[in-house]
Amino acid sequence: QLVLTQSPSASASLGASVKLTCTLSSGHSTFAIAWLQQQPEKGPRYLMNLNSDGSQTKGGGIPDRFSGSSSGAERYLTISSLQSEDEADYYCQTWGTGLVVFGGGTKLTVL
Amino acid sequence: QLQLQESGPGLVKPSETLSLTCTVSGGSISTTYYWGWIRQPPGKGLEWIGSIYYNGRTSYKPSLKSRLTISVDTSKNQFSLKLSSVTAADTAMYYCARQGASYYYSSGSYLPHGGFDSWGQGTLVTVSS
Repeated sequence: QLVLTQSPSASASLGASVKLTCTLSSGHSTFAIAWLQQQPEKGPRYLMNLNSDGSQTKGGGIPDRFSGSSSGAERYLTISSLQSEDEADYYCQTWGTGLVVFGGGTKLTVL
Repeated sequence: QLQLQESGPGLVKPSETLSLTCTVSGGSISTTYYWGWIRQPPGKGLEWIGSIYYNGRTSYKPSLKSRLTISVDTSKNQFSLKLSSVTAADTAMYYCARQGASYYYSSGSYLPHGGFDSWGQGTLVTVSS
């Protein structure tokens, strides 16, 4: 079964960097994912598609501070030079044989 | 610039059918993309409901399939969601969004492929008597 696992929460200081993790279920380690950001009281915003080899395709207007990387079944989103507006929920999403799955989301707090 | 806009009743009675429409502007729905519905219960995460290709091919979340119909009207550049026999558990913000499509030789058809890269603003649907 295709499942994405995310830690419920993360925190980091203003100006620092943070690395969020999305883990693909067993047998799905080669799957690509997408990262989405949802700021408080707003709809989701597409950040990037991220492949198993670490190659990524960002959405229009996404700052260079946002980058993705991959290792095995783990997919990462690194946000550098954290700003207050980065405080948001971050979701990973994947797809396969017609189905689409979201991770449970990580709530990022910028201290 | 592509825009998606959800429309439909904000209040639905239990056991009735929830109906929503997504109007796409700034681009044609008849392109190599899937068009999806996603919902988010208050205070909870995102849940994919289902998606449709412009030729009418659908992909549904298995647990919702028995209650779900997604259709497309290319002449109006719209796609729609119908969810029957609703309960309070179906109360959520409902979003429509665009997702990439890719040809899968194993199935001989285009299937959803990629992240949802354009989203509507969402519409809140409450199920209550």
